[in-house]
This record gives sequence, C-alpha cells and structure tokens, in this order.
Amino acid sequence: AQSVAQPEDQVNVAEGNPLTVKCTYSVSGNPYLFWYVQYPNRGLQFLLKYITGDNLVKGSYGFEAEFNKSQTSFHLKKPSALVSDSALYFCAVRDMVMAGGSYIPTFGRGTSLIVHP
Amino acid sequence: SQTIHQWPATLVQPVGSPLSLECTVEGTSNPNLYWYRQAAGRGLQLLFYSVGIGQISSEVPQNLSASRPQDRQFILSSKKLLLSDSGFYLCAWSVGGPGDFGPGTRLTVL
Repeated sequence: AQSVAQPEDQVNVAEGNPLTVKCTYSVSGNPYLFWYVQYPNRGLQFLLKYITGDNLVKGSYGFEAEFNKSQTSFHLKKPSALVSDSALYFCAVRDMVMAGGSYIPTFGRGTSLIVHP
Repeated sequence: SQTIHQWPATLVQPVGSPLSLECTVEGTSNPNLYWYRQAAGRGLQLLFYSVGIGQISSEVPQNLSASRPQDRQFILSSKKLLLSDSGFYLCAWSVGGPGDFGPGTRLTVL
C-alpha cells in the first residue's frame, strides 16, 4: 500500500526564519509527490509537485521542496517565513492509476504551520 | 483556465433531512472528479471518485451517495443526514495531474 506521513502536527517558526514541513512517503514504484496549502475554511490550493528531474522543486509563494529518494522524503521549505504563510499544509503521493491514466492521490494528515510575528 | 465551483458554502441541516451538494468544473473536458470529507479540520477522506458521466466509485461505505449527470457536474447526496455527516466537504478535479480543489462546503448537522 502507498502512504504518506507528516510526522509533525504543528510547526512553529518566527517570521523571517527558514521553515521546513516534513513529509515521508512509501510507494511501490516511482513517486509523484505534491504539496497543497489550506487556509481556514477554504479549499486546498496546489503549491508544487515532483514528477521527475531536478530534486529541488520550486512552487508558489516562494515555497520549494526537496525530493530525497534514499530517505523517501519530500520536505517543504521556505527560506524566510511570513505570518501569512500560517496555514494547514498537506503532502500527497500519487496512488493507484485509474482508468484513463489518472490517479487517486493519498494525502497526509496535514501539518499546521504557525508563523509568529 | 480551469475553475471549480461548489455550493452552498455553508449549510446547517437537521438530522434526518436530505442533502444535495453540487460541484461544477469549467475550462476542461472529461475531468476525473472527487468528493472528499475533512473532519475536525485535518485529514482528508476520499468519499467518491468519478472517471466519467454516470461512473461513480465509492471508497468507504456510508450514508452518502454521489452522481455525475453531466461531464463537469458532480453531486453529493444523502436521503437522511446523520450527526456524523457534519464536516467540511471538498470537491476536486484532475486531468492527468494534481488538478485543483473547490472552495468547500461546511455542513453542520444538528
């Protein structure tokens, strides 16, 4: 079975400091990995994805993620956190392939990021 | 560009009443459509997905059902709501990639 783990329920960081939100995965083949952000009472917004190629992926709002195959990790990072980055962050991995070549994503439980002024 | 709509944004319903939540997608054809439920503001539970008109797959047994009467329309329904149906319901679409999520519906069953 394919799975995603976000080991931290909450991450606290001071504004201006670098942030990391952790994600590890387990898949049988090559992983397709994604990060989403959710603001309060809102839907999820796509941040970035890794399919193949460069291990460092850049996404929206200054976020980036590093794919590490040996550690089966896909941690989300940002060099300088903003108070407005405070939100719920979800890591997702491509799950089984459905008819038509699409997929069902498996989501982690989410990590609440709190950036203090 | 593609956009996804959900309504209503919030809904308060008594136990035993029916439910109908609607999701529509614009700017794409033959998308895969999904209904998720998010309880207690955290993890996402996939409820249903659809690869085409009239094709519905259920991930978990429950008090809910889904239908896809048109290519870009996905409906979540219940004949009789339970207290445990309360939560935040998200519709999503994808075409070969991550796709996007709708704004969500906050359902409170009293």
